Amino acid sequence: AQSVTQLGSHVSVSEGALVLLRCNYSSSVPPYLFWYVQYPNQGLQLLLKYTSAATLVKGINGFEAEFKKSETSFHLTKPSAHMRDAAEYFCAVKSGAGNMLTFGGGTRLMVKP
Amino acid sequence: DAGVIQSPRHEVTEMGQEVTLRCKPISGHNSLFWYRQTMMRGLELLIYFNNNVPIDDSGMPEDRFSAKMPNASFSTLKIQPSEPRDSAVYFCASSHGQSEAFFGQGTRLTVV
Repeated sequence: AQSVTQLGSHVSVSEGALVLLRCNYSSSVPPYLFWYVQYPNQGLQLLLKYTSAATLVKGINGFEAEFKKSETSFHLTKPSAHMRDAAEYFCAVKSGAGNMLTFGGGTRLMVKP
Repeated sequence: DAGVIQSPRHEVTEMGQEVTLRCKPISGHNSLFWYRQTMMRGLELLIYFNNNVPIDDSGMPEDRFSAKMPNASFSTLKIQPSEPRDSAVYFCASSHGQSEAFFGQGTRLTVV
């Protein structure tokens, strides 16, 4: 079985501040991990993915995430928030042979001017 | 490729009516997912198919919901009869193997 936990359903930062969105997963086999972003009234789009290569993964819009097996974490960071980063972010995991994709509950990021 | 295509984009129907949502996955993808998103419950997996076969439908709310994938290029999600609490945005997504899933733009369903 696999699951994803995102700590904090809402995160608020000031423009220019560090963004840190937390994701912890559970999986009985090596996972594939993903971060998606959803802007208002749109579908989900991929930010970045971990597929067992480099543990530090760089994505679009200046975001990056680090896979830490010992902590079963895949936290998303961005050094400096922009107003346009305000959106909902979802962490997801795939593992095993079934290709099932499991999402966390999502974190809504708010950016204050 | 045009991506995952969902239709209709918006649907307004009266309680008790049948609703059919449609999805065309990306060509070559072998997994297809149906999700429902609401403010209250967030993003919920309803059902997913692998090679056109339903693998896990434990997220389907009740017998009023059914999903089919008659071939690799088409899937439907049907609600019969529809109820106001079914109002949500329904997303279809597809993927190949362990790669990322690509999402459609969603169908916003309103049941009045």
